[in-house]
Parts: sequence; structure tokens; C-alpha cells
Amino acid sequence: AQSVTQPDIHITVSEGASLELRCNYSYGATPYLFWYVQSPGQGLQLLLKYFSGDTLVQGIKGFEAEFKRSQSSFNLRKPSVHWSDAAEYFCAVNRRAGTALIFGKGTTLSVSS
Amino acid sequence: ETGVTQTPRHLVMGMTNKKSLKCEQHLGHNAMYWYKQSAKKPLELMFVYSLEERVENNSVPSRFSPECPNSSHLFLHLHTLQPEDSALYLCASSQPGQGYGYTFGSGTRLTVV
Repeated sequence: AQSVTQPDIHITVSEGASLELRCNYSYGATPYLFWYVQSPGQGLQLLLKYFSGDTLVQGIKGFEAEFKRSQSSFNLRKPSVHWSDAAEYFCAVNRRAGTALIFGKGTTLSVSS
Repeated sequence: ETGVTQTPRHLVMGMTNKKSLKCEQHLGHNAMYWYKQSAKKPLELMFVYSLEERVENNSVPSRFSPECPNSSHLFLHLHTLQPEDSALYLCASSQPGQGYGYTFGSGTRLTVV
């Protein structure tokens, strides 16, 4: 069965520093990959997605993610973190269009001044 | 506003009550989903509706009863809930096909007393 692992439960980054959130998936073929962000008390907002083609994907709010097939990873990055980026981040996967998304457990990002 | 509206935003109910959660989207999507988000646990897929038919039911207790009267509306009927059912209930919609992602509502925060 497909699964998503986010190894880091909680990360603290200084404002202005770079960020990388890790995501690994388990699936035989290349799945569709997503990153979502959730602010407290809110639903999930799509940051970016990967289906095929260029392995470096640009998203909203200055985020990007890189798909690495050899490592089964889809890590999220941002060169300079802002205090407003503090939130929970979820990696998700589905095996084909039309099937339900499977989410990782999430990584909580705190931003220190 | 994401285009997916959930009401109510907050709900407190006793274990003997009957209540319903409502989800509405006017994005032209034809798939809708209920997810449960509990503290310290990953997002749990509850139900999937595609073209108003239930296509997935992830072993959810019968005290949760979904209803999808048309492609724009999704309900979750609740009765005789337990305190452990307290959680954030998220609705999402999508238009299956390559390039799609989910659009989430802001959720209903449910507390069972």
C-alpha cells in the first residue's frame, strides 16, 4: 500500500533562514505528489504539485519542491522563511488521478525571530 | 474563501444528539471528500463521493452517515457520537484528471461532550 512519511514532527527555523521539509513516499510507480499548508483553525491550502516533467516544481508563497525518484522523496524548500510561514505542512500522494489523497502526518514549522 | 464552504465552523453536541455538517462547493468539481483530523494523528479519509455516488468508505463507524444529494453539496450526519469523535472535520472537492488537486474547506471543529 502506498504511504507517505514526514520524518520531522516539528522544526524551528530562524526568520530569514532557509527551510527544507522532508517527505518520502512508498509506491512502485511515480505517484502524483502534493504539498499542502494548514494555518491554525483553517483548512488545507495547496502549495504545489508534481505530476511529470521538470522535477523542480515552483509553488505559491515562494516555495519549491524537488522530486527525486531515486530517493522516493519530494522535499519542500524555501530560501528565506518569513514569520507568516509558521504553520503545519502536509505532504500527500495519490497513485492516479481520481483516487483519494493519502497524507503524511505533517510537520509543524515554527519561526523564531 | 477557497470555494468550498463548510458550516457550521464550530459545533458542540452531546452524545445523544443528532446533527449534520454541511459542505458546499461551486467550483464545478464532481468529487467530494470527508476527512477527519484529530490531534497528533494524520488526516483520515472517511468518505469519497464521485458523481454523487459513494466510491470509498474507509471503515467508518455507522454513527457517521454521509449524504451527497448533488455534485455541489455533501453532508455528514452525526448521531450518538463518542467523545473520541471530537476533531476537525474537513471537506474537500476535486475535478479528477491530470493536474487536479483538492480544494479544502475551513473545516468544522466538533466537540462531543
